Amino acid sequence: DVKVTQSSRYLVKRTGEKVFLECVQDMDHENMFWYRQDPGLGLRLIYFSYDVKMKEKGDIPEGYSVSREKKERFSLILESASTNQTSMYLCASSRDAGSGANVLTFGAGSRLTVL
Amino acid sequence: GQNIDQPTEMTATEGAIVQINCTYQTSGFNGLFWYQQHAGEAPTFLSYNVLDGLEEKGRFSSFLSRSKGYSYLLLKELQMKDSASYLCAVMDSNYQLIWGAGTKLIIKP
Repeated sequence: DVKVTQSSRYLVKRTGEKVFLECVQDMDHENMFWYRQDPGLGLRLIYFSYDVKMKEKGDIPEGYSVSREKKERFSLILESASTNQTSMYLCASSRDAGSGANVLTFGAGSRLTVL
Repeated sequence: GQNIDQPTEMTATEGAIVQINCTYQTSGFNGLFWYQQHAGEAPTFLSYNVLDGLEEKGRFSSFLSRSKGYSYLLLKELQMKDSASYLCAVMDSNYQLIWGAGTKLIIKP
């Protein structure tokens, strides 16, 4: 019954490495999102996509890029990982971002540690 | 700026009732969401309020007062499995979600 799948639950990388976080949803949702979750802070939006090959910056896009080549897949890329990118990364999808009743379905998260 | 406030942590007893408050200041309002997140798991949707009043869904209820910028989540007949973080989020005028930091609820036997 898994609907949003994130490829890696735990990753440990070194400073300067390139990191790929993959997310796949099987609900045919139009919209996909990448958030990071840090203790004591609310979820912060990194990037989102409302269609294939479309992307929009969120609140904290610096140091990240994304790719959406297929509707079901949304990838987050850290070109050169830094220690301040150590965090929990959550992927989510939704059917209709332009509606108030925009319910997100989240993946289980990818916990990234950058040494 | 936009802000969502909710208590950091609450403790309650199994079988009791607990109310988790959320106050907000946002640019416009298109609804308020509550999500539940068990440790190490994905947040899951609990409720959505866009009009004032109380929405009841089994043991969980959510209340909204738009004039006061206030909501609460009410959990009745608490069970140990209700131990989790509860996230409050408001959708602003641009349909962007603004998230609170979450309330960690600890249930004791």
